[in-house]
Order: sequence, then structure tokens, then C-alpha cells
Amino acid sequence: GAGVSQSPSNKVTEKGKDVELRCDPISGHTALYWYRQSLGQGLEFLIYFQGNSAPDKSGLPSDRFSAERTGGSVSTLTIQRTQQEDSAVYLCASSSISTGIDTQYFGPGTRLTVL
Amino acid sequence: SQQGEEDPQALSIQEGENATMNCSYKTSINNLQWYRQNSGRGLVHLILIRSNEREKHSGRLRVTLDTSKKSSSLLITASRAADTASYFCATYTGGFKTIFGAGTRLFVKA
Repeated sequence: GAGVSQSPSNKVTEKGKDVELRCDPISGHTALYWYRQSLGQGLEFLIYFQGNSAPDKSGLPSDRFSAERTGGSVSTLTIQRTQQEDSAVYLCASSSISTGIDTQYFGPGTRLTVL
Repeated sequence: SQQGEEDPQALSIQEGENATMNCSYKTSINNLQWYRQNSGRGLVHLILIRSNEREKHSGRLRVTLDTSKKSSSLLITASRAADTASYFCATYTGGFKTIFGAGTRLFVKA
């Protein structure tokens, strides 16, 4: 079956521009995560959606970052007025925690480069 | 701060040798998972161990969990060049987000 997909796979933008990153989770998965990973570093949690609950935005680094999840499925991560330090790979993952086990399935990521 | 912390940060071994990576965490967990990441892209789930389990095997992988010490280890036996990747532990506390550690970078030399 289809896994988690992300688009675009690569994005190069100029400092100050806005970017939108998209994530299509596995159908039926109620939980969706966004992470950021800088070169050679671990995963930095950004935001977490679970069903119809209010998202956990505790990981968003600044108010330039926002995310939404429409209809409990597709999610968009928006970065406004991009800065060079925003350059990283942005990973999306989804999971179904109805069994109390949260195994996450990751997309291939979007590599963002801010010039 | 991260819930899981892997140790060592980097490990270089010869093909055929065993590789051991450790993970420590801070709070009580429901389960702990190990993931692998190749080439800085998406992570792939390897193995899950529940809080009431002490050891789990999957192929060449062996995971142990010591809840009294809040630590876990991942052993890869008879390593291969294809095992070269970053390995992350992730803890799930139930009802909250899974938290990933900073990872161990494993390099297996052919």
C-alpha cells in the first residue's frame, strides 16, 4: 500500500520568501508529526496532530512556522519569511496509536535550502 | 530536552563485527523503539520493545530494555556494509508524542 508521501522532495528558496511543504499520511492514520533535521543532527520535533484534538505546537521554533491538517488527512507546514537557519530536511510521519503503540511511518522528507 | 539519548554518537567497525548502541531516557515509558535512517531521509522502524519486556530479537538485531536503569541497547550482529546508517531510539509514554534521541551514526567498513 501507499506510504507517507511528501512534496516537494527538494525546495530552494530565497531568504524572506514563504514556503509550503506538504505531507500525505497513510490513509486512516490519525496521528501526524512534523520534524526538522539539520545536517548530521537528530530529529527536532515541530508539531503533532492527533485526530480532532488541538495540535501540540510546542516544538515550533518561532511564529514564522505554522501547520495545518485539513480533514484529518493532508498536512501543510508553512514557513514564512524564511531564514538561512531554516535550511534542513523536514520529515513528516504518521501513525495509528489506537492500539497504544506508536510506530511511526516516515515520508522521504523535503530538503529545504534557503539562500 | 530530548527524552532519549544515544551513546555513542558515532561508531566505526569492520564488517563482520558486532555493533552495540545504547539509549537512555528520563521518564516512564510504554514502549521503546529503534529506527534506522539512511542518507538523511525518512526513518524506518526496526523493532519495538514494550515496557514489560526485557529482550527482543529480530534477525540480526537484539534489543534489551532495563526499565530500572531507564536504558536500552541495540545490538547488530555480524554487521554488513549495508548496515551503515544512523540509528535512533524513540520512547512512547502513552497518549503523548514519541520522542526521538539524537542518534548514533554507525559506519561499517567493508
